[in-house]
Amino acid sequence: EADIYQTPRYLVIGTGKKITLECSQTMGHDKMYWYQQDPGMELHLIHYSYGVNSTEKGDLSSESTVSRIRTEHFPLTLESARPSHTSQYLCASTRAGASGNEQFFGPGTRLTVL
Amino acid sequence: SQKIEQNSEALNIQEGKTATLTCNYTNYSPAYLQWYRQDPGRGPVFLLLIRENEKEKRKERLKVTFDTTLKQSLFHITASQPADSATYLCALDVGYSSYKLIFGSGTRLLVRP
Repeated sequence: EADIYQTPRYLVIGTGKKITLECSQTMGHDKMYWYQQDPGMELHLIHYSYGVNSTEKGDLSSESTVSRIRTEHFPLTLESARPSHTSQYLCASTRAGASGNEQFFGPGTRLTVL
Repeated sequence: SQKIEQNSEALNIQEGKTATLTCNYTNYSPAYLQWYRQDPGRGPVFLLLIRENEKEKRKERLKVTFDTTLKQSLFHITASQPADSATYLCALDVGYSSYKLIFGSGTRLLVRP
């Protein structure tokens, strides 16, 4: 079982609300990632970080933002949620310099925006 | 365009048989290829990694092959069990310090008792 945690596991929220999805890992990994996944579809990278104060946008455009103030914490924020943001959000991490970049995933947050 | 293809149709097999899943890719030159298992409502779990200079890798009942000429990886589960039922994802790691993975959409495996 990977030591990476996401909260909340499920979130139902109204349009226009600001939300923050939490992700924490206790493995001391430098690299962290946020993916978005719709049912039966591939994971799309939306944000990643190579260390503290490092954040980059991923391959899929997203209206969310991230921050990396501490190594173990990589929260994702949506300033104004919309129904199009409804999806599963997965956080992952990997060790710096890992040969082959094996990623450890959290359990995910299922977000529904009404 | 760059593309990873996994069979979108579920693979339905009898317990005890060998399951073979396919991952094809185009326009990538991955340094590594990885396979993950994902159960419904959960995050993926890493299973195996194979490097571009390796032809085959084994771990218990799992075997992965990697043909960089065909741009294809095969994932085998021998003596399959109902507990192996899940979605299996392949992921390409371009390497070269990118530290990013490109995932396929996965193939669902159903093992009948």
